[in-house]
Amino acid sequence: AQSVSQHNHHVILSEAASLELGCNYSYGGTVNLFWYVQYPGQHLQLLLKYFSGDPLVKGIKGFEAEFIKSKFSFNLRKPSVQWSDTAEYFCAVTEGTGFQKLVFGTGTRLLVSP
Amino acid sequence: DTAVSQTPKYLVTQMGNDKSIKCEQNLGHDTMYWYKQDSKKFLKIMFSYNNKELIINETVPNRFSPKSPDKAHLNLHINSLELGDSAVYFCASSQGISRDSNANYGYTFGSGTRLTVV
Repeated sequence: AQSVSQHNHHVILSEAASLELGCNYSYGGTVNLFWYVQYPGQHLQLLLKYFSGDPLVKGIKGFEAEFIKSKFSFNLRKPSVQWSDTAEYFCAVTEGTGFQKLVFGTGTRLLVSP
Repeated sequence: DTAVSQTPKYLVTQMGNDKSIKCEQNLGHDTMYWYKQDSKKFLKIMFSYNNKELIINETVPNRFSPKSPDKAHLNLHINSLELGDSAVYFCASSQGISRDSNANYGYTFGSGTRLTVV
């Protein structure tokens, strides 16, 4: 069965620090990859997604992610975080080219101190 | 306009009660879902409907029964509520069932229903 692992459960950074959140998945075939953000008390919002093409994907709010097929990874990055980036970040995957359910990682809680 | 709306936003109820959560989307999407987020923030799919047809039914107690009267609505009814049902339930929708379609293959989530069983 498909699984998604996020290595960092809690990350604490100061403003302007660089961010990298790890995400690895287990499926060896075609995958669709997503990063979602959940601000405190709010619903999930899509940051970025990868289906095919350029493995470096740019999303909203200055976030980007790189798909490395050989490493089964889709790490999220941001060069300089802000206090407003404090949130829970979820990596998610669907597999194949047909309809599939979203399988989420366990999430990473990011706290950015001013 | 809210794209995916859930009601109620908060629900506090006693064990043994029956309750329903409603979800509506105005995006014209074909597929709707229910996800459960537990106290550790872990998100797991429960059900999915495509054009009113059930297509995903994960290992969920049969006390949970989804109903889709039309493709814009997916309601979740829970019988005999238990303490362990306390969670945040998210409704979501997406367009198309194939990654190869020209449709925008992305999920839109509702704002969640926080269910507390006491």
